[in-house]
Formats: sequence, C-alpha cells, structure tokens
Amino acid sequence: GNSVTQMEGPVTLSEEAFLTINCTYTATGYPSLFWYVQYPGEGLQLLLKATKADDKGSNKGFEATYRKETTSFHLEKGSVQVSDSAVYFCALSDNTNAGKSTFGDGTTLTVKP
Amino acid sequence: NAGVTQTPKFRILKIGQSMTLQCTQDMNHNYMYWYRQDPGMGLKLIYYSVGAGITDKGEVPNGYNVSRSTTEDFPLRLELAAPSQTSVYFCASSYGETGELFFGEGSRLTVL
Repeated sequence: GNSVTQMEGPVTLSEEAFLTINCTYTATGYPSLFWYVQYPGEGLQLLLKATKADDKGSNKGFEATYRKETTSFHLEKGSVQVSDSAVYFCALSDNTNAGKSTFGDGTTLTVKP
Repeated sequence: NAGVTQTPKFRILKIGQSMTLQCTQDMNHNYMYWYRQDPGMGLKLIYYSVGAGITDKGEVPNGYNVSRSTTEDFPLRLELAAPSQTSVYFCASSYGETGELFFGEGSRLTVL
C-alpha cells in the first residue's frame, strides 16, 4: 500500500534559519504530493502541491520539488519566521483510488525569536 | 464562504454512548472524507464518499458508520463509544481525485 515517511520532530530553529523537512513516499502509479500545515487548534490547510515529476510547488516562501527518482518531496524555506511555527504534514493522493490521501505523522516546527 | 463546517467542536462521551459528528460543505465537492488524528500521529482515513449515496471504508472503519444522502452532508456516527475512539476528527472534501483536501476545524472527542 501507499505510505509517507517524514523526518521525526520536533524541530526547533531560530528566526531566519534555513528549514528542511524530509519526506519520502511509497506509492503505485503516479501520485500527487502535498504539504499541509496545521496551526494550533485549527484544521489542516494546503501549503503547496505538485502533481507530476520535477514539478516544484511553492507558497509563502516554502518550496518542495517532486523527485520521482528518489521518491521524495522535501519541504524547504530559506528564512523561517516565528509565525511559521506549526505542524507540517506531507501527504500523497492516489489519483486512481477516489483521491484518498495518505499522510505522514507530521513534524512539529517551533521557531524562536 | 464557510467551506467545510464540523459540529460539535468538543464532546465528552461515556463508554457505550452513541453520537453523530456533523459535516457540511458548501463547495459542491463530490468527494468527502473522515479522518481521525491521534496525538503525534498522522491522519487515518475512517470512511470516504465519492458522491451522494456512495460510501466506502477507509483504513480504520471499525466502530463507525457514515451516510451520504446529499452532496453537502457527510455525518459520521459513533456507535457504542470506546476509550480507543478518543481522538480529533476531521472532515474534508475535495473536488476531484487529484485535488487538494479542504478541512474542517476538527471535532475533539473524549470517551471516558
């Protein structure tokens, strides 16, 4: 079956530091890949996505590139802010199976001033 | 522009009680999903629906039931609540198989 593996957290960084959160996946076919963010007390919301190999998703300074050869979709940001503190989830959507999404366990990011 | 609305936001149940979590979306999405989120874990799919009148089991369906009589509504029924069902429940919808998920704010359920 499909699976998503994220780097374990929590991750604590100082403001303006560089962020990488690793994500690798196992899937049949050609899934779409997503990063969702969950702020305290809220539901998940889409941060960025990529639907085919070599696509780069980007939003709010975050980027991730769909790497089929390494089955990876690592999240990066060049300079984090305190407001980026949240839980980040990597996910894939099986395009042939009712769009069911498989999620990683989430990585908690805390950014200190 | 409400999006996905879940009620209630919080609920405490006694073992053996039953309840329904309500979910409504106003985006005319055909696909709807129920997930549960346990502490430090990712989301696990409970049930999903690809349209009115069509539902199917996800990864962890035991102890739950759903119905989909309209495009907008996708209630989740818990029968005979157990402590293992203590969790945060999220309803989500999508416009298609490759689309992003739109989530409700979640329902925190505690079974004592």
